[in-house]
Order: sequence, then structure tokens, then C-alpha cells
Amino acid sequence: AQSVTQLGSHVSVSEGALVLLRCNYSSSVPPYLFWYVQYPNQGLQLLLKYTSAATLVKGINGFEAEFKKSETSFHLTKPSAHMSDAAEYFCAVSETMKGFQKLVFGTGTRLLVSP
Amino acid sequence: DADVTQTPRNRITKTGKRIMLECSQTKGHDRMYWYRQDPGLGLRLIYYSFDVKDINKGEISDGYSVSRQAQAKFSLSLESAIPNQTALYFCATSETGQGGLQPQHFGDGTRLSIL
Repeated sequence: AQSVTQLGSHVSVSEGALVLLRCNYSSSVPPYLFWYVQYPNQGLQLLLKYTSAATLVKGINGFEAEFKKSETSFHLTKPSAHMSDAAEYFCAVSETMKGFQKLVFGTGTRLLVSP
Repeated sequence: DADVTQTPRNRITKTGKRIMLECSQTKGHDRMYWYRQDPGLGLRLIYYSFDVKDINKGEISDGYSVSRQAQAKFSLSLESAIPNQTALYFCATSETGQGGLQPQHFGDGTRLSIL
């Protein structure tokens, strides 16, 4: 079964600093990987997804993630943090069973951005 | 209007009560899901449905039941609520497509507290 590990339940950065949120996956087959963001009192929104077309994936709001098979990682980055980036971020891997796409989520990382 | 609408947004109830959480969508997706979110645990799948006639248990279905009344409606019931079912509940939808490639679209959640 696939699994996802997100290192760090909280990450704090200053506005304008680099954002790096870590995600490592475990999968017996080539994975499909996703990053979702959850703003306060809202549901999850898709930031980006990896579907094997390219190892560097660009998403919304200036975020990107790089798939590294040798490291089984899919870390999320943004060059310069904005206050509006403060949210909780979830990495997820897709596990397909009987044609059904089951998403296995990590435990989430809360990003705190200080002025 | 939101594409995936959950009602109610908040609910406080007592142990032993029957509760129904409702989800409706205007995205025209066949697949619908119910998750619960607990702090530090990420999201866990309760039930999922491929279409009106196809409903399946997820990883934590005990104590829950669902009904797919129409393509656009998927409700979650707690027959006899208990305090450890206090959580944030999310409904999600996705298109039918090649397994693993279709992102899920989430409602804004229902915060359920059971006293």
C-alpha cells in the first residue's frame, strides 16, 4: 500500500523567504502525487499534481514541486512567501484499486508566515 | 455558488443521536467521497461512490452509513453518534477517468461536535 510522510507538522518562514515543505512517499508502482492546500474554514484545493509527464511540476500561486524518484520525494517549494500563503498543506499519493483512485494523505504541514 | 456544497457547516449534538450530513455537487462528476479530518491524522476515507448504484466502504466506515440519492447528492449518516466521531468531515468529487489522474474537488467541510 502507498503511504506519504510529511516532515514537520509546522513550518515557520518570514515573508519573502523560501518555502520548502517536505513530502516523501512509499509506492510499489510509479505514483501519482498531489499537493493540496487548506485555508482556514475551507476545504482542500488542488495546488499541483504529478502524473509522470515532467518531474518539475508548476502549480497555482507560484508553487512548484519536483519529483525525485531516487529520493522518493515530492517536496513543495515557493521562492518567496506571502502572508496569504499561511495555510495547511497536504501531500497525497494516488492508489488505484479496481479502477478507483484512492487518495492517501499525509498528516499535513501548517505553514506560518511572519511579517 | 460553490461546486461542492456541504450542509450543515457546523453541528453540535449529543451522544446517541442520529445525524445526517449532506453533500451536493454541480460539477457533474460521477464519483463522490466522504472523508474525516482529525488533527495530526490528515484525511481518512469513510465511504466512496462510483455512481448511484455503486457504494463502497473506505478505511474507517464503522459507525457510518451513506446514501447516494442522485448523481449530485451523497449523504453521510451517523446512526448513533459517539464522542470520538467529533471531527471535520469533507465531501469530495472527481471525474471518472484513467485511474490516478483525476484530482478531487472538496467542499468546505462540516465541523461536527458530539458531546
